Amino acid sequence: AQRVTQPEKLLSVFKGAPVELKCNYSYSGSPELFWYVQYSRQRLQLLLRHISRESIKGFTADLNKGETSFHLKKPFAQEEDSAMYYCALRPLSGNKLVFGAGTILRVKS
Amino acid sequence: DAGVIQSPRHEVTEMGQEVTLRCKPISGHDYLFWYRQTMMRGLELLIYFNNNVPIDDSGMPEDRFSAKMPNASFSTLKIQPSEPRDSAVYFCASSFGGAGFEKLFFGSGTQLSVL
Repeated sequence: AQRVTQPEKLLSVFKGAPVELKCNYSYSGSPELFWYVQYSRQRLQLLLRHISRESIKGFTADLNKGETSFHLKKPFAQEEDSAMYYCALRPLSGNKLVFGAGTILRVKS
Repeated sequence: DAGVIQSPRHEVTEMGQEVTLRCKPISGHDYLFWYRQTMMRGLELLIYFNNNVPIDDSGMPEDRFSAKMPNASFSTLKIQPSEPRDSAVYFCASSFGGAGFEKLFFGSGTQLSVL
């Protein structure tokens, strides 16, 4: 079975500090990994996906198959980064996404 | 396109009552998903459809929950009878799987409170 674990319910950092939102997964095959974000009063939306290997809003995430992790990182947090972040996995076969429990990021000024 | 449309935005009901949540996916999308969001468990997949056919309903909590998709532009999630532990935000999402999966488009959600 597929499983996504986000160990932190809440991560609080100061503006300008580095951010790392942790995500670990369990899946026997090669999954596709995503980060979704929900800003206050907005819809849940895609932030980035590992196959794109791109940086969005300064965030990056590298898939580490050895550690089965897909941590989301940003070198300098901004107040507008405050949101709920979900890590998600798509099995190689199928079109469903399995989400983690989510991490609330609070960036303090 | 207005995106995925869910109704109602908020629903307050009493224990034992029937609750029906509605969703209109983005036109042309062939996958529709129902998720439930709680603080404890995050986003749980309840059921998803492909071309109006239920593919995986293993996430549906129990027989009190049922979902239908009578056509490509409409789906319902019904809870009968409702219980306080069903209180959560229910999200509908859709996607197009034709050219390979890209991303989910989410609705605004329905905040359900069962008293």
